[in-house]
Amino acid sequence: AQSVTQLDSQVPVFEEAPVELRCNYSSSVSVYLFWYVQYPNQGLQLLLKYLSGSTLVESINGFEAEFNKSQTSFHLRKPSVHISDTAEYFCAVSPRRGGADGLTFGKGTHLIIQP
Amino acid sequence: EAGVTQSPTHLIKTRGQQATLRCSPISGHTSVYWYQQALGLGLQFLLWYDEGEERNRGNFPPRFSGRQFPNYSSELNVNALELEDSALYLCASSRSEVKAFFGQGTRLTVV
Repeated sequence: AQSVTQLDSQVPVFEEAPVELRCNYSSSVSVYLFWYVQYPNQGLQLLLKYLSGSTLVESINGFEAEFNKSQTSFHLRKPSVHISDTAEYFCAVSPRRGGADGLTFGKGTHLIIQP
Repeated sequence: EAGVTQSPTHLIKTRGQQATLRCSPISGHTSVYWYQQALGLGLQFLLWYDEGEERNRGNFPPRFSGRQFPNYSSELNVNALELEDSALYLCASSRSEVKAFFGQGTRLTVV
């Protein structure tokens, strides 16, 4: 079984400031790691994923996340946020056998960008 | 390419009624997944259908059921609605085992 802990339910940050959204997980098996974003009144969109290889993964809109196996973490970072980044961010893990039925989500972090 | 589409976007039902939610996957995707996003509970896996068969279900009572049609679209049925069934129900589809695409959800309100 897996579990995901997102330590912050809300993160307020000023526009153009850096941000880090924390995610820790526990699992008895090897996992894939994901960050999903949910904009207001919309469904989930995959932001980035770690499957294998380089532990640092990047998205097209400036977010990056680093897989740290020893600390069982997959924190999401962005060096300079924009108003349009306001959204709910979900960290998720899946056992390496695959299948979205195996996706276990954290409870989400609401990123609030202040002008 | 059209994404995952869900209907209706909003649904209001009274306690004890039945609700039917629909999902059309991305063309070429054979797997459909249902998730419940209830306030304060996060995203919970409900059901997984692939090639018309139920492959797995989450920890939900039997009054949550569904099916997948030959065109890979899917229905989620919730019988004997309870107030705590009020939630956003998200459908996702995938072709590979790893990457899933989500729809915008159906907001079910039980009064």
